[in-house]
Amino acid sequence: GENVEQHPSTLSVQEGDSAVIKCTYSDSASNYFPWYKQELGKRPQLIIDIRSNVGEKKDQRIAVTLNKTAKHFSLHITETQPEDSAVYFCAARDQAAGNKLTFGGGTRVLVKP
Amino acid sequence: NAGVTQTPKFQVLKTGQSMTLQCAQDMNHNSMYWYRQDPGMGLRLIYYSASEGTTDKGEVPNGYNVSRLNKREFSLRLESAAPSQTSVYFCASSPTSGGEQFFGPGTRLTVL
Repeated sequence: GENVEQHPSTLSVQEGDSAVIKCTYSDSASNYFPWYKQELGKRPQLIIDIRSNVGEKKDQRIAVTLNKTAKHFSLHITETQPEDSAVYFCAARDQAAGNKLTFGGGTRVLVKP
Repeated sequence: NAGVTQTPKFQVLKTGQSMTLQCAQDMNHNSMYWYRQDPGMGLRLIYYSASEGTTDKGEVPNGYNVSRLNKREFSLRLESAAPSQTSVYFCASSPTSGGEQFFGPGTRLTVL
């Protein structure tokens, strides 16, 4: 089955700086890679996703890049703000097991004002 | 639309007790999922239902059973609760297997 590793597990940045979170996956057949944001005590919510036929996708201050050859994808947050403080999860669609999502372990991001 | 709803929000059980967590979605989604999230950890899939009438084991199914009652509802049952099952349980749904998943608010379960 799919295995997703996420780094770093914690990330502290100064407000206005950029934050980068990286994930690697094992199943070369995976073709859908979403990113979820979870604020303290809340449910995870999708913030951006990318499909394997696209190398990069951007939405305002967030962007995701995908390198299929190396089997890794990254989340980039620019001009970070205090409200970006949360736990971020990457995931990959596991084609070998009913197309379910396999999640990474999460990155706790703290934006210091 | 309410989206994905879960009941109860909080529950405390004693070891050996049983209970059922309820989940319902009003988005006409085909697929539904149950996850557990332990403190400081990611989401681990317990069971999922790719479509009405089907259920499959996820990463951590031991100690749990599920029922896809109809297209809207997907319940998770703990037959004999153990302290190791203390966790936050999230239900999710998606239009198709592997598509964007929408999460419910979670159930915080403590087993003493």
